[in-house]
Amino acid sequence: QVQLVESGGGLVKPGGSLRLSCAASGFTFSDYYMSWIRQAPGKGLEWISYISDNGRTTYHADSVKGRFTISRDNAKNSLYLQMNSLTAGDTAVYYCARAVTFDIWGQGTMVTVSS
Amino acid sequence: QSALTQPPSVSGSPGQSVTISCTGTSSDVGNYNRVTWYQQPPGTAPKLIIYEVSNRPSGVPERFSGSKSGNTASLTISGLQAEDEADYYCSSYTRSNTYVFGTGTTVNVL
Repeated sequence: QVQLVESGGGLVKPGGSLRLSCAASGFTFSDYYMSWIRQAPGKGLEWISYISDNGRTTYHADSVKGRFTISRDNAKNSLYLQMNSLTAGDTAVYYCARAVTFDIWGQGTMVTVSS
Repeated sequence: QSALTQPPSVSGSPGQSVTISCTGTSSDVGNYNRVTWYQQPPGTAPKLIIYEVSNRPSGVPERFSGSKSGNTASLTISGLQAEDEADYYCSSYTRSNTYVFGTGTTVNVL
């Protein structure tokens, strides 16, 4: 069935880096734009970034621009989020989602930024 | 980009109807029909329930409906059921080629 599975979350110190991955299955990954969305504990959803189907076009929210980079490998059916210069404000569950309607979501991976 | 404005909570008894508003600006909701709605029960990932203002994905009950007027989109749940108790979020495409979510609304079934 159509599925997205995130991985790579964990505990990281302020100023550190982390790379999240999202493995897609059950659909033709290369046909879809893909997105990252996060949710801080007890807070609402925040759109982070999206990437076009061929990977040539990307957009990031102002809150992460210059620190986070979205990328994809269509041969591996995988989406990535490279996160640098992390701060406590980046602590959240990070979801990958299909398309820009976000019609399919993964289960999320928790990122905690703390010393 | 500021979050779209939703009421913190709405309540209704089983069988009643509730409506959640989602207010943006002419740079997002008011200028594009790319408004979506998501349902998030506690401890789970969000689920798409409305796309392009008023369209329901396959499998979403007909009691969920969406509309838009000016800078405000709305989600109506008719015939409220206990299983509808969840957080609901709207989202819109923006003039900056980005996306923005609403502040979220908790639906309480009395």
